[in-house]
Amino acid sequence: AQSVSQHNHHVILSEAASLELGCNYSYGGTVNLFWYVQYPGQHLQLLLKYFSGDPLVKGIKGFEAEFIKSKFSFNLRKPSVQWSDTAEYFCAVSTNTGFQKLVFGTGTRLLVSP
Amino acid sequence: ETGVTQTPRHLVMGMTNKKSLKCEQHLGHNAMYWYKQSAKKPLELMFVYNFKEQTENNSVPSRFSPECPNSSHLFLHLHTLQPEDSALYLCASSQDVSAGGHTGELFFGEGSRLTVL
Repeated sequence: AQSVSQHNHHVILSEAASLELGCNYSYGGTVNLFWYVQYPGQHLQLLLKYFSGDPLVKGIKGFEAEFIKSKFSFNLRKPSVQWSDTAEYFCAVSTNTGFQKLVFGTGTRLLVSP
Repeated sequence: ETGVTQTPRHLVMGMTNKKSLKCEQHLGHNAMYWYKQSAKKPLELMFVYNFKEQTENNSVPSRFSPECPNSSHLFLHLHTLQPEDSALYLCASSQDVSAGGHTGELFFGEGSRLTVL
């Protein structure tokens, strides 16, 4: 069964700092990759996703993620964070044979100080 | 407004109680899910329903009993729970077609926070 690791549980940044959140998965076959975000007091929502094609994926609010197959990674990046990016970020993976079985990481809680 | 509404938002129950969580989606989706979110643990998939039929039970104890009367409504019936079942229970929906047509996006509700005393 696939699993997802997010190594950073808590990240604190100042506004305008660059962000990179790590995500590694374990599965040898074809995967679909996702980043979800949960803003304080709100529901989980999709930030971006990768199914195939260009491994550099752009999402909402200036976020992007790069799929590196050789490293089994799908790290999330943003060049300059804002206070409003304070949230919890979840990496998730599914496979083409189990595309409804979305497996999530434990999440990374990001705090951006103004 | 997420399009997925969960009630109640908070629930406290004793181990001998019977209660239910309700989820309703207004998005016209045909798949619905229950996830469990516990502190410091990954979201755990519990159940998946496609067109009202249960297609996934992720080894969930029988004290959790799902019900999906139609594609818009999903319930989670709870009975004789344990304190370790205290968690945030998330409902989600998606528009799923046969393999190859899946968009991959789940739409989540805000969750029902359950405390078992």
